[in-house]
Amino acid sequence: AQSVAQPEDQVNVAEGNPLTVKCTYSVSGNPYLFWYVQYPNRGLQFLLKYITGDNLVKGSYGFEAEFNKSQTSFHLKKPSALVSDSALYFCAVRDAGANNLFFGTGTRLTVIP
Amino acid sequence: ETGVTQTPRHLVMGMTNKKSLKCEQHLGHNAMYWYKQSAKKPLELMFVYSLEERVENNSVPSRFSPECPNSSHLFLHLHTLQPEDSALYLCASSVGGLNSPLHFGNGTRLTVT
Repeated sequence: AQSVAQPEDQVNVAEGNPLTVKCTYSVSGNPYLFWYVQYPNRGLQFLLKYITGDNLVKGSYGFEAEFNKSQTSFHLKKPSALVSDSALYFCAVRDAGANNLFFGTGTRLTVIP
Repeated sequence: ETGVTQTPRHLVMGMTNKKSLKCEQHLGHNAMYWYKQSAKKPLELMFVYSLEERVENNSVPSRFSPECPNSSHLFLHLHTLQPEDSALYLCASSVGGLNSPLHFGNGTRLTVT
């Protein structure tokens, strides 16, 4: 069975500091991993994905994520946070043999000026 | 402009009403999805259509009825809903394929009174 865990409901970080939003997953086969961001009153926007290849994936708005197979993690990172990064972030996983995309419960990121 | 347009943005309906949510995508995608987003819960996949055929129906109550007349349009027909059905309903589309990201609309905020 597939599942995604985002252990932190809320992450606060000071503007200019590095940020990390955590995600761990469980799949039976090779994972397809995604990060999405949701701003208030909007739908989810795709940030980046890992399918295969380099463990460090770069995405939109300066975000990147590191795939760690041994720890079954796919943490989202950014070297220097902006106030405009404040939003709700969702990790999602799809098993290579499955049709459905499973989402985590989301992590609310607040960047403090 | 996300390329996926949902109407209406807000809907208030009584439990005996019948209403429909509409989704239209202008991206040339061949798969469309309905998701339900409730506070502090993972996004729940409701229905998936691929090439206008329903390929996934995740045990959704029959008071929700999807319709996909063509690859650009998706409807969710609602009747005799319950207050616990109040949520944000998100439509998404993709080119198909397991590594394709989803493109979401801004959602319809549904309140059942």
